[in-house]
Amino acid sequence: GENVEQHPSTLSVQEGDSAVIKCTYSDSASNYFPWYKQELGKGPQLIIDIRSNVGEKKDQRIAVTLNKTAKHFSLHITETQPEDSAVYFCAANGSWGKLQFGAGTQVVVTP
Amino acid sequence: EPEVTQTPSHQVTQMGQEVILRCVPISNHLYFYWYRQILGQKVEFLVSFYNNEISEKSEIFDDQFSVERPDGSNFTLKIRSTKLEDSAMYFCASSRLSDQETQYFGPGTRLLVL
Repeated sequence: GENVEQHPSTLSVQEGDSAVIKCTYSDSASNYFPWYKQELGKGPQLIIDIRSNVGEKKDQRIAVTLNKTAKHFSLHITETQPEDSAVYFCAANGSWGKLQFGAGTQVVVTP
Repeated sequence: EPEVTQTPSHQVTQMGQEVILRCVPISNHLYFYWYRQILGQKVEFLVSFYNNEISEKSEIFDDQFSVERPDGSNFTLKIRSTKLEDSAMYFCASSRLSDQETQYFGPGTRLLVL
């Protein structure tokens, strides 16, 4: 089955700097790669996603890149702000919409 | 903006007891899911449900688990005889017929089995 690896597990950045989180996946059939943000005590919130027919997608300060050949995708957050502090999960789709999640990255943005 | 809602937010139960976790998916969504997250670990898929049938289930979703859509709005997860290791956060998610992969998650139910 699908296996998604995510790095780093923790990431500390200064406010205003950029943050990059990387994921790899194993199933060549995966074609949908969402990113979720989870704040303490809350459910995962979809922040951006990318499908296999594009290599990059951007939404204001966040962007996602996908390299299907290498089976990896990354989340980029620019001009980080304290409210970006959260746990970020990448995921890849499997059969019947099932999402396989990475282990998560705790992002801490320090003022 | 429509949201997935879940009740209760917290549930404490004794080992061996049955629990039912409730979810109200987004109203025009037709695919429904349950995931769980043990404290500090990744979110794990349990089951997907479409057209009143289970589409896929994981190894975690054994005979102790069942799902049901009892009416037009609710989607439930039942754990028949809870174990200590069932303690986790349980998330419901839903997606549209036209875009199955894009799943929206509820706030979760924190289940503690004593």
